[in-house]
Amino acid sequence: GAVVSQHPSRVICKSGTSVKIECRSLDFQATTMFWYRQFPKQSLMLMATSNEGSKATYEQGVEKDKFLINHASLTLSTLTVTSAHPEDSSFYICSASSRGNEQFFGPGTRLTVL
Amino acid sequence: QQQVKQSPQSLIVQKGGISIINCAYENTAFDYFPWYQQFPGKGPALLIAIRPDVSEKKEGRFTISFNKSAKQFSLHIMDSQPGDSATYFCAASIGDNYGQNFVFGPGTRLSVLP
Repeated sequence: GAVVSQHPSRVICKSGTSVKIECRSLDFQATTMFWYRQFPKQSLMLMATSNEGSKATYEQGVEKDKFLINHASLTLSTLTVTSAHPEDSSFYICSASSRGNEQFFGPGTRLTVL
Repeated sequence: QQQVKQSPQSLIVQKGGISIINCAYENTAFDYFPWYQQFPGKGPALLIAIRPDVSEKKEGRFTISFNKSAKQFSLHIMDSQPGDSATYFCAASIGDNYGQNFVFGPGTRLSVLP
């Protein structure tokens, strides 16, 4: 199957700082990438959908100025959490899609904001 | 109408037993139903998926049963193994070329006892 990587896998930062998470499709071109957020023992909640070269579409309730998404190429999307606060601590997962309905998920990034 | 219900919330099965997880949906426009397996601290991995034109799909020990009229589908894990212990998510989407609009169930935590 297709491989999606995320970097970093784990990040700890101080409140007020910004954190960038990278999502890469390693062996295919991802026309669409998705960003999810998952709290402990809960399901995945879609935050935004991004198509290469265009602005991301954010789900209702997700602040686009706080969660900046860039999808500059067919293999890379980034999520920047700006001015992070403890309530932003979560598991962030990206996925990528290029054919049909299959979404291939990255391994996730654990963000802890102190 | 976009919700996907999943039960049970948690499941304990003896090694060699059959694990059964059920999902139900309301939106008849859904036409793609994948199951994902997630281990702690990892991203979800596609396990098996089905479209509504078939009533059953089997891959190894994993079988999806689909009942279009009841708007229900289930995952059966035969000969369950301790290595199957994970959280399982059903999902549903309306197909297009970019695999968008996934709706995930709340998840089932499966524990297979040795």
